[in-house]
Amino acid sequence: AQSVAQPEDQVNVAEGNPLTVKCTYSVSGNPYLFWYVQYPNRGLQFLLKYITGDNLVKGSYGFEAEFNKSQTSFHLKKPSALVSDSALYFCAVRDTSGYNKLIFGAGTRLAVHP
Amino acid sequence: GAVVSQHPSRVICKSGTSVKIECRSLDFQATTMFWYRQFPKQSLMLMATSNEGSKATYEQGVEKDKFLINHASLTLSTLTVTSAHPEDSSFYICSAPGQGASEAFFGQGTRLTVV
Repeated sequence: AQSVAQPEDQVNVAEGNPLTVKCTYSVSGNPYLFWYVQYPNRGLQFLLKYITGDNLVKGSYGFEAEFNKSQTSFHLKKPSALVSDSALYFCAVRDTSGYNKLIFGAGTRLAVHP
Repeated sequence: GAVVSQHPSRVICKSGTSVKIECRSLDFQATTMFWYRQFPKQSLMLMATSNEGSKATYEQGVEKDKFLINHASLTLSTLTVTSAHPEDSSFYICSAPGQGASEAFFGQGTRLTVV
């Protein structure tokens, strides 16, 4: 069965420090991986995706993620965190069984402190 | 990029009444739309897959008669919460799936409060 795991409920980081939000996946075949961010009472905003190609993917707002096939991971990173990055982050993999629905991780709340 | 517009963003209704939530694809045609429910501080739970011109596919445990889904056109899918009760209070989000290498697009979400 396909699945996504986000092992951390919350990540705390000081403003200006680098941040990492972890994600591991389990799929059959080549994965289509995504990161989304959610602010309170809002829908999900797309950050970045890995489909194929370079393992380091750059996305919106200075975020990037590294696809690691051997470790089945797709961790989200940013070199210097901002207080405004505080939000709920979701990792997702596309279900290959039809309709292209997404399988989400549980979400990780990122708190950036001044 | 593609835009999915969801309305209303918030609604408060009385117990026993019905509430309709609309989800529109503004600049593309969506033959499929997903409806999610999200409880506080939790992930998105897929409720159903809406298909234009055919019946929706509901996930296990989701009451079809409580959550009516209609996909009347290639740009509009609706979710009606019938005979709402306080336990139906939640955040509901629609999404159009990505095609090919494209990402999925999400509506802004609807905060439903049943009093």
